[in-house]
Amino acid sequence: KAGVTQTPRYLIKTRGQQVTLSCSPISGHRSVSWYQQTPGQGLQFLFEYFSETQRNKGNFPGRFSGRQFSNSRSEMNVSTLELGDSALYLCASRPGTSGRYEQYFGPGTRLTVT
Amino acid sequence: KQEVTQIPAALSVPEGENLVLNCSFTDSAIYNLQWFRQDPGKGLTSLLLIQSSQREQTSGRLNASLDKSSGRSTLYIAASQPGDSATYLCAVRPTSGSRLTFGEGTQLTVNP
Repeated sequence: KAGVTQTPRYLIKTRGQQVTLSCSPISGHRSVSWYQQTPGQGLQFLFEYFSETQRNKGNFPGRFSGRQFSNSRSEMNVSTLELGDSALYLCASRPGTSGRYEQYFGPGTRLTVT
Repeated sequence: KQEVTQIPAALSVPEGENLVLNCSFTDSAIYNLQWFRQDPGKGLTSLLLIQSSQREQTSGRLNASLDKSSGRSTLYIAASQPGDSATYLCAVRPTSGSRLTFGEGTQLTVNP
């Protein structure tokens, strides 16, 4: 079974631009979560989607948004990019929202904002 | 608010040594705890998942224990190898809500 895939793997953007990141979960997984990883803050939860609905949201400004499609694929969008948005963005999937499910992560998208 | 701490922050050992990585959490209302490995610039690889009702889980040379009441977990790596060099992260999932709370990680270097 293929793992979680994320595209693109690397991205360079200019401050003020917007960006869209994509995540394809493991086949059969319906829950997709997004995390931001930076050297200073570590791994921080952005949001989780299940059945095209946002189920939980972390403490990030409204510039960070996401959505999930009927095939469980998810996109994350960051508008009006700031230098501090430079990070590794990780997507994770699991079969459902029950706490017993193990979380599987993708390779991440490395975003650099200049 | 849940806080997860990992000690030590970095560890360097000679090949073949057995070692223990520590993880502590402040809120014992957890559903489970998961250990991950992260290689530089890469995503997270799940190593072990321990449900709150379990005391330990084993996979190959890895053994993870959980003491929910004291808010502690340990990851034991037997007969370490240079290929084990990576950052090891623990994360807890609360009984309510879906987000994982991560520790800062332990950076392990196994020297040949």
